[in-house]
Amino acid sequence: ETGVTQTPRHLVMGMTNKKSLKCEQHLGHNAMYWYKQSAKKPLELMFVYSLEERVENNSVPSRFSPECPNSSHLFLHLHTLQPEDSALYLCASSQVGGPGNTIYFGEGSWLTVV
Amino acid sequence: GDSVTQMEGPVTLSEEACLTINCTYTATGYPSLFWYVQYPGEGLQLLLKATKADDKGSNKGFEATYRKETTSFHLEKGSVQVSDSAVYFCALSVSNNNDMRFGAGTRLTVKP
Repeated sequence: ETGVTQTPRHLVMGMTNKKSLKCEQHLGHNAMYWYKQSAKKPLELMFVYSLEERVENNSVPSRFSPECPNSSHLFLHLHTLQPEDSALYLCASSQVGGPGNTIYFGEGSWLTVV
Repeated sequence: GDSVTQMEGPVTLSEEACLTINCTYTATGYPSLFWYVQYPGEGLQLLLKATKADDKGSNKGFEATYRKETTSFHLEKGSVQVSDSAVYFCALSVSNNNDMRFGAGTRLTVKP
């Protein structure tokens, strides 16, 4: 069992759909992240939550909406996406504050927008 | 700003060949350095790390030494296997910071 679990692993959605990606970390960390990975840009940081507060947005389009209800759970709500949003979405967590801030990733959610 | 530059791929090697993937960094503080590996269809896994100058990280036969004088953290393995085929990412982070900077990734293919 991995320390960071993502569901669903695969998602196909139409451009008018609303769906959500879910992430749960079992590592007791205090920060969680959403990354986007595509052929054009290997790893793009989308959102960071530290101590359940969003600390970075990186100019992500509003059709992506994150939610962090507690330190163990992170959601990415999706609506009216575009085909170019098709990518692998990676959730990650870390313990901020100590030396060597290692980030631990989930296995990712493959999103296809049709 | 802080950044990482790693050698572009793809890299194709025969089994048992030696591997070096170059990585250099730019940082204003004292970063920790990492190598992550991504096997096909999976997320990123931490391969090894080093938190201060002259430290050597090692795992699964891979090694990398934190070289402050050359600002480098090259990944090496003496004898690669087919199962090492993956994408390798170099990364850095600064303590007490939420931000980890990743390189563009290097795809390695090992042929039997």
